Order: sequence, then structure tokens, then C-alpha cells
Amino acid sequence: NAGVTQTPKFRILKIGQSMTLQCTQDMNHNYMYWYRQDPGMGLKLIYYSVGAGITDKGEVPNGYNVSRSTTEDFPLRLELAAPSQTSVYFCASSYSTAGSGNTIYFGEGSWLTVV
Amino acid sequence: GENVEQHPSTLSVQEGDSAVIKCTYSDSASNYFPWYKQELGKRPQLIIDIRSNVGEKKDQRIAVTLNKTAKHFSLHITETQPEDSAVYFCAASEVDTGRRALTFGSGTRLQVQP
Repeated sequence: NAGVTQTPKFRILKIGQSMTLQCTQDMNHNYMYWYRQDPGMGLKLIYYSVGAGITDKGEVPNGYNVSRSTTEDFPLRLELAAPSQTSVYFCASSYSTAGSGNTIYFGEGSWLTVV
Repeated sequence: GENVEQHPSTLSVQEGDSAVIKCTYSDSASNYFPWYKQELGKRPQLIIDIRSNVGEKKDQRIAVTLNKTAKHFSLHITETQPEDSAVYFCAASEVDTGRRALTFGSGTRLQVQP
């Protein structure tokens, strides 16, 4: 059981470039999330998905896109990278049903620098 | 949407002392309150959580208390050790319907002095 796996771990992008952060989980979790964490700050929700084919915006979705074609994968696409997108990106997943808790498991993070 | 405020932002204690971190939330629909510990350069790790039908939960040296009426919850760490030094985040979400995504506080940097 690898849990939540993110790639790449580190990346430097030039302004205006695009890239995709990959995320996959092998826990058969229905919920998946993308958070960003700016230095010394808390985590902000970018996008989330409640199941394959369903995605929705979080607090800070501008400049990003996601898709969820399978239960396992939830890639995050950055279009036209800007310095403000320099951050650590965490993918996460959880298995949640009504009345249960919602333990969220995080990937190891992807450090992105836009120069 | 939900808003979670956390304080203090930094906390320094002597080894063996207790540490208390407090959070308030705004959405009365929130019913799940976890606490995460994040060491430098690592991912957040769940250390304890509480549902709104429980007022207090303990796990060895850590405990969480919840006051639903006042919309605040706290993390208590007793007999602190140097390895407790990290950033701690509180969070809140509604887990019975809807998106169930966590809204995080801004974090507390805990430093335990040997």
C-alpha cells in the first residue's frame, strides 16, 4: 500500500509554462483533494473531487484545472505559470461516508518554483 | 464558507511543560475537527480528531476539547518533549454531506526547549 503518491517532488517552471502535477492513491478512496501551502502558512484548498467524473472548486482555484477520470488518479494542471503559484502542493485523499470521520491522508508534497 | 482561526502562531515551552493551542470556527454545520502535525519539509500527519458529538478525546499525552456552543476547540499536549516541536494545524469540516474538505487554521509553531 503506497498511499498517496505525487510526482514530481521538485520542479522549477518559467513564467508562462504549463505543467501537470500527478497524484494517485491506491486506497480506493472516494474523495481526493489538492491543497497548496505557501511558506509559513496553512493549507488552502484548490480543487476537490467526490468521485470519478466529479470535481469542484475550492478556495483558490484560479490558474488551475483538474480532472478525475478514474478513482485512483487526480492530476492538477497549471496553465500559464505565475510567480504567485510558487508553493508546496499536497494531494490528499479520504474515504468518507455519512456518519463516519474523514481522515485525510496526504501525499509527500510537490515543491514548485516559478521564476 | 468555513473560516478557522488559530492561535497562538508561535509557542515556546520548556520540556515537561504543557502546551495549549486554540482554534475557533465559523460554520455551525462543521462536525469534524482534526489536528495535524507537520515537521519541517514533511507532509501533515493526523495526530488526533474529534466529532461534534464528543466533548473531549484523549490519546496518551495529547487531548482535544470541543465547545460546540462557543465554536472553539483546543489541543492540549502534556509533558512536552523536544520531538513535539513542529507546526500544528487545526481544521474543520462537515462530514455527513457536501464536500467534506478540511478548512485549515494558519498553524502554530511549537518549540519545546530541552
